[in-house]
Amino acid sequence: KAGVTQTPRYLIKTRGQQVTLSCSPISGHRSVSWYQQTPGQGLQFLFEYFSETQRNKGNFPGRFSGRQFSNSRSEMNVSTLELGDSALYLCASSLTGPGNTIYFGEGSWLTVV
Amino acid sequence: SQQGEEDPQALSIQEGENATMNCSYKTSINNLQWYRQNSGRGLVHLILIRSNEREKHSGRLRVTLDTSKKSSSLLITASRAADTASYFCATDDPMNYGGSQGNLIFGKGTKLSVKP
Repeated sequence: KAGVTQTPRYLIKTRGQQVTLSCSPISGHRSVSWYQQTPGQGLQFLFEYFSETQRNKGNFPGRFSGRQFSNSRSEMNVSTLELGDSALYLCASSLTGPGNTIYFGEGSWLTVV
Repeated sequence: SQQGEEDPQALSIQEGENATMNCSYKTSINNLQWYRQNSGRGLVHLILIRSNEREKHSGRLRVTLDTSKKSSSLLITASRAADTASYFCATDDPMNYGGSQGNLIFGKGTKLSVKP
């Protein structure tokens, strides 16, 4: 069974541009969440989607947005990129219900120059 | 919001030795998960332990949970060079809304170095 797949793995963007990252969850998983990892702030929760609806959101500005499609695949978008948005963006998926293991993808490395 | 705190921040041991990492958190939880991250890679799930469990084993890994002290420990026995990685504990957020479970709160991690 394939794991969580994220694309692209690496990308470089210029300040002010926007970026879209994609995530395909494990087959059968309907909950998808996104995290940002930086050396300074560590791993921080961005948002979670379930059945195409945002179920929870972390403390990030409105420039960070996401969506989920009917096949549970998810995308996140960051608009008006800032240097501080350089980070590893991780997507995770899980089955619904409490106590289920949350599985992560390999991440997308974003560098903003 | 709460945050797990791992201790120590860095640990260096020789192959064959045991490695123990600790995690403390601040509020009640439903479950706690441990993850491993190799440099620049994604998170690999190691073990999930529920709040009504005290100990769990998986191969060379042993996790304990003490909800009265709000702490957990991860023991890696007979360590190998391949165990070199950062280890994170993650707790669910008791403020999750609408059944949300994807909001994990992570500690800063313990960086383990196992020397051959």
